Amino acid sequence: DAGVIQSPRHEVTEMGQEVTLRCKPISGHDYLFWYRQTMMRGLELLIYFNNNVPIDDSGMPEDRFSAKMPNASFSTLKIQPSEPRDSAVYFCASSPRLAGYEQYFGPGTRLTVT
Amino acid sequence: DQQVKQNSPSLSVQEGRISILNCDYTNSMFDYFLWYKKYPAEGPTFLISISSIKDKNEDGRFTVFLNKSAKHLSLHIVPSQPGDSAVYFCAAVTNAGKSTFGDGTTLTVKP
Repeated sequence: DAGVIQSPRHEVTEMGQEVTLRCKPISGHDYLFWYRQTMMRGLELLIYFNNNVPIDDSGMPEDRFSAKMPNASFSTLKIQPSEPRDSAVYFCASSPRLAGYEQYFGPGTRLTVT
Repeated sequence: DQQVKQNSPSLSVQEGRISILNCDYTNSMFDYFLWYKKYPAEGPTFLISISSIKDKNEDGRFTVFLNKSAKHLSLHIVPSQPGDSAVYFCAAVTNAGKSTFGDGTTLTVKP
């Protein structure tokens, strides 16, 4: 298996623009997670899905952020409009089970908003 | 309120010696604890885990110890190798599956 795939690997955009990050989880994994890593807040969970359904979005910072999972092999995290404080590395992870099981992380998308 | 803390931002050890990375947590509802390793420009990769009903789990050179009364876990790497140089994150998971990560400890193993 190719592992979790994220695109793009790097994104530079101007404040106010819409940004869409993409993720393809490992086939057969029922759980998909979106994380954000910053120097100030570390690695924080934004949202996770089970069988394409959002279960917990309490970590989504504000209404500018939205995430979708239209099918088992694809998810997007969208920021509209983007702000400089959104600059971070965004990771997608998937897992075959939830409690107690390790998550498989993608390589991340480094987002820079100028 | 930071529920999972790794108080040492960095650790440097000599090759062949033991590396001990520490993690403290505040929420007694955590059921599982995991350690991840992260290299630059890559995502974290799973290393080892432990259930809250155990106090030790071993996998090759890696051993995780859990002290529930002290709300403390540690990762021991013996012997340390230069390839172990990375950032190590501890993560605590509730039975609802929600993970909380520490800030990470950068381990440097010197040849």
